[in-house]
Amino acid sequence: GQQLNQSPQSMFIQEGEDVSMNCTSSSIFNTWLWYKQDPGEGPVLLIALYKAGELTSNGRLTAQFGITRKDSFLNISASIPSDVGIYFCAGPWVGNNNDMRFGAGTRLTVKP
Amino acid sequence: NAGVTQTPKFQVLKTGQSMTLQCAQDMNHNSMYWYRQDPGMGLRLIYYSASEGTTDKGEVPNGYNVSRLNKREFSLRLESAAPSQTSVYFCASSEAGRGITDTQYFGPGTRLTVL
Repeated sequence: GQQLNQSPQSMFIQEGEDVSMNCTSSSIFNTWLWYKQDPGEGPVLLIALYKAGELTSNGRLTAQFGITRKDSFLNISASIPSDVGIYFCAGPWVGNNNDMRFGAGTRLTVKP
Repeated sequence: NAGVTQTPKFQVLKTGQSMTLQCAQDMNHNSMYWYRQDPGMGLRLIYYSASEGTTDKGEVPNGYNVSRLNKREFSLRLESAAPSQTSVYFCASSEAGRGITDTQYFGPGTRLTVL
């Protein structure tokens, strides 16, 4: 099936460090999305990618849509304490933009 | 604008009991969704409603029913709750219908425990 595999599962970093995480699939996705979930809240969309090879930034966040269409990467530069949370990749089931599949998430902890 | 609201925030049920989770959005969105999130896992789609008057199954629909009451409201019903349905439930909405994946806006979640 169209499963999304995220790595790493968790990260413990020092404030100011850069962070990289990725998402891979055995199937092609036409859209990649990155969400962040704060404790006790619903996910919030950070970045959306619609074309293979696309590189998009949102402040200190940069995400890339892999050219194989089977992976995506999210980088966070100069991390700050409020970056703490769970980061999810997601993508719509091929042929149905309403059927979204999520990865298991990368839990980020930032030590001041 | 309140965005997407969900009630209740917390609920404890006994096995076999029924309940309805309520969701409402004030953004005039066409599409609405119900997800569940289990520990260490991403969100999994239960049901969605692409537009008022339609509902479709997602990845994990068994044990649930939904009703799109009107454009604003989309409810999720558990007819006979089971411990396996212990989870955090999220409702979301999106404008949808433009041929690309629209941004989904999520509610704060309902934490359900089935004993």
